[in-house]
Amino acid sequence: DVVLTQTPPTLSATIGQSVSISCRSSQSLLDSDGDTYLNWLLQRPGQSPQLLIYSVSNLESGVPNRFSGSGSETDFTLKISGVEAEDLGVYYCMQATHAPYTFGAGTKLELK
Amino acid sequence: QIQLVQSGPELKKPGESLKISCKASGYTFTDYAMQWVKQAPGKGLQYMGWINTQTGKPTYADDFKERFVFSLETSASTAYLQINNLKNEDTATYFCARAHYFDYWGQGVMVTVSS
Repeated sequence: DVVLTQTPPTLSATIGQSVSISCRSSQSLLDSDGDTYLNWLLQRPGQSPQLLIYSVSNLESGVPNRFSGSGSETDFTLKISGVEAEDLGVYYCMQATHAPYTFGAGTKLELK
Repeated sequence: QIQLVQSGPELKKPGESLKISCKASGYTFTDYAMQWVKQAPGKGLQYMGWINTQTGKPTYADDFKERFVFSLETSASTAYLQINNLKNEDTATYFCARAHYFDYWGQGVMVTVSS
């Protein structure tokens, strides 16, 4: 199975600070169809996860553009340009290129 | 609007069975696969597998090939997760999510297995 390693496990930020989360895959996530199925999700406390970014860098509808995704093959990054209070929670990367799909262990974003 | 509405919390004893529902609305049910995800208390997300809503064919991740059954009631736009012979380690919240992008999620069903 594909292993996704997220760093850091915990991130402390102040409001307005820009932060980045890394997700490294044990295998290339480039699919034979040319797409790379690496998504980013946010789970706020007590809520279901929500999709933020799909296919590495595509912003899901309704998600603020302070969120951005980048990367290729095995190395991916989620950046938040100016953290807001509503951004606190656990961020997960996940891959849907190789079966079975897998999730990273999560990065908890908290207020400093 | 698109919604996935799951059934309510469950309290079961070891060895019992349960069936969780995930009712979809706001889109054509058979146009998108349905995924299932487990989250143990205080832990991360664990992928369980998915069901093809056109054919009804389920695909299970290795940890969920025994005791777990995905099914559909297409006429009701509903997907089901059945867990047989419940064990303490099945205590978790179970989510359904739409398609291979996981773009919509149910609210989750909290399952507690305790004697």
